[in-house]
Amino acid sequence: QVQLQESGPGLVKTSETLSLTCSVSGTSIINYYWNWIRQSPGKGLEWIGYIDYRGTTNYNPSLKSRLIISVDTSKMQFSLELSSVTAADTAVYYCARAKGYYDRNGYWVEKLGPLDYWGQGALVTVSS
Amino acid sequence: DIQMTQSPSSLSASVGDRVTITCRASQSISSHLNWYQQKPGTAPKLLIYAASTLQSGVPSRFSGSGSGTDFTLTISGLQPEDFATYFCQQSSSTPRTFGQGTKLDI
Repeated sequence: QVQLQESGPGLVKTSETLSLTCSVSGTSIINYYWNWIRQSPGKGLEWIGYIDYRGTTNYNPSLKSRLIISVDTSKMQFSLELSSVTAADTAVYYCARAKGYYDRNGYWVEKLGPLDYWGQGALVTVSS
Repeated sequence: DIQMTQSPSSLSASVGDRVTITCRASQSISSHLNWYQQKPGTAPKLLIYAASTLQSGVPSRFSGSGSGTDFTLTISGLQPEDFATYFCQQSSSTPRTFGQGTKLDI
């Protein structure tokens, strides 16, 4: 079965870089788009960005200047680096797969397909 | 960014009830609307995509409708396991955006 698992430090110091990795199993890493989403009490669910197996990315403009998402297809992993973190970056971070589908007009939608598999989430706290 | 507004923010209901949650987009998103269910301490679970397509394995008591800017999620015959928080999410354009959630409790 498809499984995604986030890993990384649960505590990051203010102004440092938050790094997380998502390990994927039970599915091909090709043909899908791989997403990071975070959830905090104050901001709800926030989409961070996505990457495909070729390394093509799309980032949320609100985070773009601090964000790098990368992929390692040989390890079946993709990763998140968020620099210069503050307390506002404290959240549960999820990785998720976007699946493709045909919309009502018969067009194939994949980059922004629905998020059908999620990791369990990783709580990251930013503190000095 | 496209803003997604859900109503109500919270809802009380009983087992067997029929409930409807609405989601409004700040601009037209055609049918690019997804619904998720989240229980405490767990990741969101995809229920419906493309406004009305039931995700595999999701019970048929869940249904979705709408297009353009106005969408609804209906649960017909609430079951105890349905008490959770529900989110809508637009996938018309980046950045993906989510509604603030509707908490459904007993």
